[in-house]
Parts: sequence; structure tokens; C-alpha cells
Amino acid sequence: GQNIDQPTEMTATEGAIVQINCTYQTSGFNGLFWYQQHAGEAPTFLSYNVLDGLEEKGRFSSFLSRSKGYSYLLLKELQMKDSASYLCAVSKNDYKLSFGAGTTVTVRA
Amino acid sequence: DAGITQSPRYKITETGRQVTLMCHQTWSHSYMFWYRQDLGHGLRLIYYSAAADITDKGEVPDGYVVSRSKTENFPLTLESATRSQTSVYFCASSDRSLGGYEQFFGPGTRLTVL
Repeated sequence: GQNIDQPTEMTATEGAIVQINCTYQTSGFNGLFWYQQHAGEAPTFLSYNVLDGLEEKGRFSSFLSRSKGYSYLLLKELQMKDSASYLCAVSKNDYKLSFGAGTTVTVRA
Repeated sequence: DAGITQSPRYKITETGRQVTLMCHQTWSHSYMFWYRQDLGHGLRLIYYSAAADITDKGEVPDGYVVSRSKTENFPLTLESATRSQTSVYFCASSDRSLGGYEQFFGPGTRLTVL
């Protein structure tokens, strides 16, 4: 099995930057996903990291360190619509994903 | 409609009744999944399927049954519903792509067992 840990809640101000950390312990690691989930809606794909380093997609970036079992999702220039839960998910040597419990981000004006 | 759909979107049932949640995808994805989402637990895998007629248990399979006679459909049945099965159920599908095994989620079914 695997342990996937991320903070439960984070609060930030509109226009600011927030970093959501995710640590994991697993064997057979094959990649790490971040999903966004607005209240009452389905999760939607944000990013995928399979190699160490930073992947940037507009205002969102995701970082991976496989040796440390660590990833973070960086949200820049926060907007009110970024208020959501952010799910870290680990892929092993197959097509299944194991999800963390999620981090609820609240953006305040 | 293209994509992945679930029905019903909301369901209220009573303890002991059988209920089936439907999932349909139009992408011809090989892999399909059923998750439940509860506060504090995140998404937990119930059952998954690699192809038609191939299914396997996930993390929390007890009390659930699945079948996959066609690639596009993956129904989930609660044989005798219990209150602990009150949850939001998400179906997902995926296939190998440049982005790895990215999963696409249906809109969810909110199930209440009284």
C-alpha cells in the first residue's frame, strides 16, 4: 500500500501564491497526478509528473522529487475561482491511482 | 453525449435494498474505475476493470458487485445497501496517453441509504 499525506486546509488571499505539499511512500512509483475538485463536482486533471523537476502550466506548477517522495502544487496569482480541493494521486506500475485525502484551499478577497 | 456519464445523479434508498449505479463512457477507454468519496478519506477505489469481462477488487470492495459486459458500461451494484454505503460515488475511465494514465471522472452519484 502507500501513504499519501497532504494538508487538510489552506487559506490565502486573492492574488497571492499558495503551495500545497504532498508526501508519499510507495513501491513501484510511476508518476504523480494533481487533480482539482470544486465543491459538488467531479475531480478534473491538473498536472502529471513522472520525472524530477518542475512542470509549469500557466498559473499552476507542479514539482516532483522521487528520491524524497515529495511533490508540491504551486498556485500563483490566486483567483476566487481557485477555491477548491486539490487532490494528490500516486500511480504505481499499473493504471490505478491512489489518492490523498485532499487539501481544501480557500481564497479570500 | 460524449464523455463519461453517471446515472442516477441522486438516489435515496433504504437499508437492505439493492441499488445499481450506472456508468457510461464514449471514449472506448480500456480502463474503468469506481470510487467512493467520504469526508476525511478522499477517493477510495472500490472496483476497477482493465477491459470488458475483466474486473478486480480495489481497496474497499465489500458489499459491492460490478460487471463489464461492454467496454463502454461499468455498472456498480450494492446488493444489500447499508447506511455505511451512504457516499458520493464517482466513476472514471482512462487509457494510456502521453500524460500517463490520466483518469477522467463522471459527475458523481450522491447516494443516501436510510
